[in-house]
Amino acid sequence: SQTIHQWPATLVQPVGSPLSLECTVEGTSNPNLYWYRQAAGRGLQLLFYSVGIGQISSEVPQNLSASRPQDRQFILSSKKLLLSDSGFYLCAWSGGGERNIQYFGAGTRLSVL
Amino acid sequence: AQSVTQLDSHVSVSEGTPVLLRCNYSSSYSPSLFWYVQHPNKGLQLLLKYTSAATLVKGINGFEAEFKKSETSFHLTKPSAHMSDAAEYFCVVSDWPDFQKLVFGTGTRLLVSP
Repeated sequence: SQTIHQWPATLVQPVGSPLSLECTVEGTSNPNLYWYRQAAGRGLQLLFYSVGIGQISSEVPQNLSASRPQDRQFILSSKKLLLSDSGFYLCAWSGGGERNIQYFGAGTRLSVL
Repeated sequence: AQSVTQLDSHVSVSEGTPVLLRCNYSSSYSPSLFWYVQHPNKGLQLLLKYTSAATLVKGINGFEAEFKKSETSFHLTKPSAHMSDAAEYFCVVSDWPDFQKLVFGTGTRLLVSP
């Protein structure tokens, strides 16, 4: 069966520091991969998605970037964090015959101080 | 472009009573619709999905939803609430031409009292 791993679970970073969040999927090949942000009390905002290695689409202009160095690995990065980058970050994957059904990781709670 | 409106930000029920979480959608074509549940500080779990098959969809944990095209609604129901149902629920739509992008509602927090 397929599983998705996301780490770390919690992260506290100072303003101006770099960021790297990692997400990996097991048990499937060539998945679509997604990064979402969920601000407190709000819905999910799609940040990036990828349909293949090295293929990244950005949905929202921001202080973040994403990379997909391997088929089942998706990384969210920032060179300098802002206070407004605080939030709950979720990675998701979809694949097989139903690419519009997404399965989510457990999330990373990022606090920028 | 598609959109989703969850009509209640909070719903409070007593344990053992029915649950109704309301969702209306806007779509140009034939949408796929989903309900996800999120427990505090956890990821999202798929409850159920509608993808143009039967209009009454059964999901996990006793939840079900009915797709009503004439009303553009996809309300989530459960006959009897359990304390463990307390969570945030998201109604989600995807549609042509970009089925792989999901559009989320703002969520409904379900509170269950003993």
